[in-house]
Amino acid sequence: QVPLQESGPRLVKPAETLSLTCSVSGDSLNNYYWTWIRQPPGKGLESIGYIYLSGSTYYNPSLESRVTISVDTSKNQFSLKLRSVTAADTAVYYCARLHGGLFYSDYWGQGTLVTVSS
Amino acid sequence: SFGLTQPPSVSVSPGQTATVACSGDKLGNKYVSWYQQRPGQSPVLVIYQTNKRPAGIGERFSGSNSENTATLTISGTQPMDEADYYCQAWDYRTGVVFGGGTRLTVL
Repeated sequence: QVPLQESGPRLVKPAETLSLTCSVSGDSLNNYYWTWIRQPPGKGLESIGYIYLSGSTYYNPSLESRVTISVDTSKNQFSLKLRSVTAADTAVYYCARLHGGLFYSDYWGQGTLVTVSS
Repeated sequence: SFGLTQPPSVSVSPGQTATVACSGDKLGNKYVSWYQQRPGQSPVLVIYQTNKRPAGIGERFSGSNSENTATLTISGTQPMDEADYYCQAWDYRTGVVFGGGTRLTVL
């Protein structure tokens, strides 16, 4: 088991920055990619991006200008920052483990609903 | 850009075989994963590398891929299989991509 747990503010004002952290327990961050995925209410899944331990990242081209994913190995955590948010960024945000090469996610966090509203 | 297309809904009678299609350009050349998502829950991986099942996923779930279409097949469908199913693949142009999801209804 590789429990993952998202944490961060559940309410963000428009134009501000959404910040979430994923804590990984039961395994180190080594040898895997770590990813953020979101799901607007009633809609499908959207990949935001992923990071490898070396710090190399890949972002969804539609979000790339506003996204930063980083990793903190000392805390076994990785984080998401999404800048200049609007109501369209309201979603359940999931963190997950991503297998490189085959690109599938076998462990997911429980998800956290982040609402963008003034 | 690369995209994956799924039918919005599929219906099946209990005990019958359900098939969920996922189409994309040259999808047969890529590895496809499938996820099951029940209401209010996180997605669960049911198929990876096109046709492999993770530990704990029953043999009723299988996957295949050919040319431009990948298929998730659920044999002997049970009421507990009622959920949303998402296909997923990776493309060098767009990274990880999900299909729009298919709601499986077991009537």
